[in-house]
Amino acid sequence: EAQVTQNPRYLITVTGKKLTVTCSQNMNHEYMSWYRQDPGLGLRQIYYSMNVEVTDKGDVPEGYKVSRKEKRNFPLILESPSPNQTSLYFCASTPAGTSGRFEQYFGPGTRLTVT
Amino acid sequence: DAKTTQPTSMDCAEGRAANLPCNHSTISGNEYVYWYRQIHSQGPQYIIHGLKNNETNEMASLIITEDRKSSTLILPHATLRDTAVYYCIARGFNDYKLSFGAGTTVTVRA
Repeated sequence: EAQVTQNPRYLITVTGKKLTVTCSQNMNHEYMSWYRQDPGLGLRQIYYSMNVEVTDKGDVPEGYKVSRKEKRNFPLILESPSPNQTSLYFCASTPAGTSGRFEQYFGPGTRLTVT
Repeated sequence: DAKTTQPTSMDCAEGRAANLPCNHSTISGNEYVYWYRQIHSQGPQYIIHGLKNNETNEMASLIITEDRKSSTLILPHATLRDTAVYYCIARGFNDYKLSFGAGTTVTVRA
């Protein structure tokens, strides 16, 4: 089944304890992105990757790191999480397309709480 | 990306057509209109997109006005499972992201 998977789905952690949220897609998509969703703020892009070893900042990159060593994986790293990073996180992948089609396939989400 | 404006919420009767408006008066010539929806707290789901012409797929129809300043997403026969937040997004051809606003919360009632 074509899908984007995220792990963990739920995580409660403490301030300053490094964590990684994994994202994997099995559709051979070139583009991958991370978003966070907060009440009243919609989804905001954190980082994106156009292909292996090519990443760039989105709208809210502070406090996050990413890497793209393999096409299928795009982990999100929080080196020193803080309470303001408590949020619902989504990973998405997108095939390189034509005709303006930009269909993003979203993962199920990771609900992170930082205390 | 052009700003889009949508109503905050709307109700629809099950089995009837749901017409969701979106205003994008500052859209530029290379920006497409996309519609996504998000059911509860699941990941958003692509519905349809268009540039100038009206579009239809198995989920919905997209009607874009001739001046491209507004569009309407039509769910032809709404079901309870169509209850969701619907996002109208304008995206430039070379952009690598979608800018999600608050969307329209659609509630389909039996």
